[in-house]
Amino acid sequence: DQQVKQNSPSLSVQEGRISILNCDYTNSMFDYFLWYKKYPAEGPTFLISISSIKDKNEDGRFTVFLNKSAKHLSLHIVPSQPGDSAVYFCAASVTGYSTLTFGKGTMLLVSP
Amino acid sequence: NAGVMQNPRHLVRRRGQEARLRCSPMKGHSHVYWYRQLPEEGLKFMVYLQKENIIDESGMPKERFSAEFPKEGPSILRIQQVVRGDSAAYFCASSPPMVAEQYFGPGTRLTVT
Repeated sequence: DQQVKQNSPSLSVQEGRISILNCDYTNSMFDYFLWYKKYPAEGPTFLISISSIKDKNEDGRFTVFLNKSAKHLSLHIVPSQPGDSAVYFCAASVTGYSTLTFGKGTMLLVSP
Repeated sequence: NAGVMQNPRHLVRRRGQEARLRCSPMKGHSHVYWYRQLPEEGLKFMVYLQKENIIDESGMPKERFSAEFPKEGPSILRIQQVVRGDSAAYFCASSPPMVAEQYFGPGTRLTVT
């Protein structure tokens, strides 16, 4: 049973436009959420995180929004750049339990 | 400041052999995690260790798999009598205490022939 779901396997966006990657979760115990970016043949790289006490966190071109009532979060990338092309993983954890539960990922392709 | 190191990057084993995967955490990180990624899947948690202690091994298969993080040296994930289904990318991550963000190594790609 998948507790973290990324329902879009892929997303194509033009350079300069906004990329929106979505993630849903089912476990109401999750209270900390993270986004990772992964290039082929490399390990995931931490991008941005958000605690359940917030509904938004921003870091440069990356913003994560959390809607707890809907158990939904999204990652916005503005403006998108070709170098952003990668697989993006959503992950969730429970404070006090350090393990991460990952979604299956969304492959983002940003075309020039 | 070196990141998480994993070796080997690629490992080929025949069915029935043993595989040993090594992970050196980032400097100052005392927590190590192992994850496995099967093709077209996300990363699945296997085991969480601190120095000389296994904290959570709920994601690790009960047979053939073991992990350790000794007082000195890297963390080791050991797979005995490998089968084709063990072929995957194995990622190690580390973190300081009480921090949710984990930092990943480049992974070891295990191929069982």
